[in-house]
Amino acid sequence: NAGVTQTPKFQVLKTGQSMTLQCAQDMNHEYMSWYRQDPGMGLRLIHYSVGAGITDQGEVPNGYNVSRSTTEDFPLRLLLAAPSQTSVYFCASSRGQGLAYNEQFFGPGTRLTVL
Amino acid sequence: DAKTTQPPSMDCAEGRAANLPCNHSTISGNEYVYWYRQIHSQGPQYIIHGLKNNETNEMASLIITEDRKSSTLILPHATLRDTAVYYCIVRVATHSTGRRALTFGSGTRLQVQP
Repeated sequence: NAGVTQTPKFQVLKTGQSMTLQCAQDMNHEYMSWYRQDPGMGLRLIHYSVGAGITDQGEVPNGYNVSRSTTEDFPLRLLLAAPSQTSVYFCASSRGQGLAYNEQFFGPGTRLTVL
Repeated sequence: DAKTTQPPSMDCAEGRAANLPCNHSTISGNEYVYWYRQIHSQGPQYIIHGLKNNETNEMASLIITEDRKSSTLILPHATLRDTAVYYCIVRVATHSTGRRALTFGSGTRLQVQP
């Protein structure tokens, strides 16, 4: 299994540009999520999905869109990039969202700079 | 919402036990406590989780107080490779639908000294 993969690893955008960060997992996990991590800070939840066709907002959803058309993929879209979105973005997946234990598996991250 | 409080940083001598505390005084009765760590700029890595009882695995031990308001992660013999940021996490309800998701705080930066 490749686990959780993210592309690209690095990206530089200009203010106002749009782009999509890709995330895929091959573990048949229902739950997927996107986090951002600013320098010296912890991870903040952007959006998450409990299954194909179902998404929900996290702590910091503004400026980002997501969709979940398949179990495997959970892309994150930045519609109008702003310098405040400069960050490292992590995608994660886990088996489910029940009350029982669910270990989250994280991807290697995408380092985004918005000029 | 259940949230956690951790010291921002700790030092530990190599080979000694590292004890990382976490307060979660508003945790509800059916919420799990999870511990993750993040080495340098990699993605976070799962360490251990617990509900009421103490737990141990090959990486660490987790001690949860009887009232569940706090817990301690123990790395029994810290090595230089254990230098990382350690996150204590409980699930919190999101604002829109009440569904719950893991939320990371700032964590504890553990520096293992040679």
